[in-house]
Amino acid sequence: GAGVSQTPSNKVTEKGKYVELRCDPISGHTALYWYRQSLGQGPEFLIYFQGTGAADDSGLPNDRFFAVRPEGSVSTLKIQRTERGDSAVYLCASSPDSNSLNEQFFGPGTRLTVL
Amino acid sequence: AQSVTQPDIHITVSEGASLELRCNYSYGATPYLFWYVQSPGQGLQLLLKYFSGDTLVQGIKGFEAEFKRSQSSFNLRKPSVHWSDAAEYFCAVGTGGSQGNLIFGKGTKLSVKP
Repeated sequence: GAGVSQTPSNKVTEKGKYVELRCDPISGHTALYWYRQSLGQGPEFLIYFQGTGAADDSGLPNDRFFAVRPEGSVSTLKIQRTERGDSAVYLCASSPDSNSLNEQFFGPGTRLTVL
Repeated sequence: AQSVTQPDIHITVSEGASLELRCNYSYGATPYLFWYVQSPGQGLQLLLKYFSGDTLVQGIKGFEAEFKRSQSSFNLRKPSVHWSDAAEYFCAVGTGGSQGNLIFGKGTKLSVKP
């Protein structure tokens, strides 16, 4: 079956611009996670959704970052007033639910470059 | 706070040789532990996981890992490495219960010599 997909695969933007990154989880998965992976680092947790609601957004670095999942399926990560330090690969993962026993299935990521 | 340390940034082994990738974690309770592999252009793929029970766990692609509570370690091993194993490997700890977000180490890049 189809895995987690993320669009676009690459995004180049200028400092100060607004960007949206999209994640399509595996059908039927109620938990959805966003991570950020900077160069030479492991993925860093940003936010996760159980259904439509953000169950934990403690990893969002500041209020320029926001994510939504209005229908409990597709999620969009939104970054306002982008900064060069936001450049990273943004990973999305989904899981049947948020129980830690479940495997998280990762998408290929969106590489964001802020010039 | 929970943390994961992977002491080796880059390891090179010869094809057919054995492999051990180190992982140390910091967590107050019994951790949920994972190893993921990331190949270029690919998403992270789960190799194996440990929650409880037998401390030696088997995973996909011939990998295994051993949980050692006394050493706070969860090292990944493979008896004979194949060229296709060249990738980056990440150890992660889950905080357990209904909160499934993972805390990852910085990764170990594996190169395989022919």
